[in-house]
Amino acid sequence: QQPVQSPQAVILREGEDAVINCSSSKALYSVHWYRQKHGEAPVFLMILLKGGEQKGHEKISASFNEKKQQSSLYLTASQLSYSGTYFCGTDYQGETYKYIFGTGTRLKVLA
Amino acid sequence: ETGVTQSPTHLIKTRGQQVTLRCSSQSGHNTVSWYQQALGQGPQFIFQYYREEENGRGNFPPRFSGLQFPNYSSELNVNALELDDSALYLCASSNPPGQGLGDTQYFGPGTRLTVL
Repeated sequence: QQPVQSPQAVILREGEDAVINCSSSKALYSVHWYRQKHGEAPVFLMILLKGGEQKGHEKISASFNEKKQQSSLYLTASQLSYSGTYFCGTDYQGETYKYIFGTGTRLKVLA
Repeated sequence: ETGVTQSPTHLIKTRGQQVTLRCSSQSGHNTVSWYQQALGQGPQFIFQYYREEENGRGNFPPRFSGLQFPNYSSELNVNALELDDSALYLCASSNPPGQGLGDTQYFGPGTRLTVL
């Protein structure tokens, strides 16, 4: 039930681009993206509420393919500050409410 | 606007003891969720409180319990502590569920619990 993220880890040079994918075995109604730096709390990046929706935040954007039950996070012209672990997250409205984070992607940007 | 705060920042307990962790939600948010994050793992949903009632629960035993107060602050109580309870405990506040706002969550800095 936990969304699976790929890749598990990625190393970039400053200025390079990266794509992080989040796939779910169940239908996604919304997807959230977070970045967590070592020893800190997750920080909300963006939310996608509708299938096909794309959102952007500076040089970070995301897309949501509801039919494919997948979301992707795009990091362009990466900066050192982008280093951290990225999580997708989604809430499941079943018999009871649950929120589930994806498996995580560790990203390191080198100078 | 006041952010999410948690106390204490660090705590050391021994097996079998009980612990209470506290969280104050962000201004304007009346929903609080609690998460456990073991080292190297992602956050695991413990439960959510909305209007002072438990709104949802993850796969945690009953010795994990909580409260939400009229001012929307919340407590996480863990009884009969086990070594595996050592983790970072995060709370997050959000808008009420089901309002089409996507439950965007804002996290507090966390409480690091060590069980010896």
